[in-house]
Parts: sequence; C-alpha cells; structure tokens
Amino acid sequence: DAGITQSPRHKVTETGTPVTLRCHQTENHRYMYWYRQDPGHGLRLIHYSYGVKDTDKGEVSDGYSVSRSKTEDFLLTLESATSSQTSVYFCALRTGRDTGELFFGEGSRLTVL
Amino acid sequence: EDKVVQSPLSLVVHEGDTVTLNCSYEVTNFRSLLWYKQEKKAPTFLFMLTSSGIEKKSGRLSSILDKKELFSILNITATQTGDSAIYLCAVNSGGSNYKLTFGKGTLLTVNP
Repeated sequence: DAGITQSPRHKVTETGTPVTLRCHQTENHRYMYWYRQDPGHGLRLIHYSYGVKDTDKGEVSDGYSVSRSKTEDFLLTLESATSSQTSVYFCALRTGRDTGELFFGEGSRLTVL
Repeated sequence: EDKVVQSPLSLVVHEGDTVTLNCSYEVTNFRSLLWYKQEKKAPTFLFMLTSSGIEKKSGRLSSILDKKELFSILNITATQTGDSAIYLCAVNSGGSNYKLTFGKGTLLTVNP
C-alpha cells in the first residue's frame, strides 16, 4: 500500500478561523488530490497537484487554497472556515499509472461551528 | 461539465441475492471508468474499465462497460453482509492531467 498520512484526523474549529489539513506521502507519486465527501454529494474534487508547485482547481475550489512545495506534502488551507466546509476531507494519490487507481488516505473530519 | 450518475442511490437486499448497480456518465473526453468500495473509512479500488464489452471479474464481483451507451454496471452475486458498503463510480475525463469525477454512490445494505 502507498504510505499516505492525513493530519489532523479530527478537528473542530470556529467560523472564521484558518485551518490547514496536511497530506503526507512516503513514496514519490506525482499526482495528489484533495476531495471532500458529504452526504448526498459523493466525493467532490477540491484541488489537485501534478507536481511540485503545480496545482489546479477542481469542481468545488471556492474557499480553499493548496500548496505543494515538496513532493511528499500537499496542504489544503481554508483561509476563513465556514459551516458549509464541515465535511470529511480525503487526500488521494495516483498510484496506478496503468490502472489509473487513486489510493485514498483515511480522511480528516472537520467540523466548523 | 462532466457528470456521473449512479443508481439506485440506496438498496437493501438479503444475503444470497444478486444485485446490479448502475453508473452512467457524460464527459467530454472519456478515458476510463473506475469502481470503488467504501466501508467505514477510505474508498478502496475495485476495477478500472477502458474497453467496451470486456468484463472485469474479482470473486463474486464483476463489471462491464458500454462506451456506446455511456454506462457501466457492477454486479455482485451471492451477496454477503460484508458487501454492505457505499459503491462509488468514477470517470477519468482525460486531458493532460489525470483527475476523477465521482458519482454520488450507491449505499448497499445486505441483511442476514
């Protein structure tokens, strides 16, 4: 299995505060992704990265920013958290060049009060 | 905008039943379709399909793609309680960078 760690795994914060979620990989995969999962919406792509300093927006990028200053870390930042950003956030790696498989981290549950 | 629609959204069956889950898609540049299973935590990969009519099989699970009609089905035979999960369909819509668009998932509950 690909080594992927998300932190924090759980966080409760207040509206208006900044929040950063970290995704760390121990291998050297080029593609990394941030998804959010909400009841009734499935998994929706927030941002993704296709290399160091190379990122692009997904379908629900408003209110989020990302950074990838080194291969192993992909950070997701909520500059000013809102209650609508309460969700489970999954980081994923593209591990299968031939299969196209994404391998997901364990998820980070964020609650914004 | 790329679209992936799964049906039904939820399904309750008894152990031993056979189920068929559906996934239809509208994307601008189709490359592949993937199925995932999600139990309590992270989604786990089941299959990737790229060619029409070729069945992928793993134990009691099988899947097939129809690129002309733009859909895929996931079959589970002789269901067990351990098959209870959310099943997610995703499509790679190509372009120079690789990303997956997911459907909302089908929640399957298998009762003993």
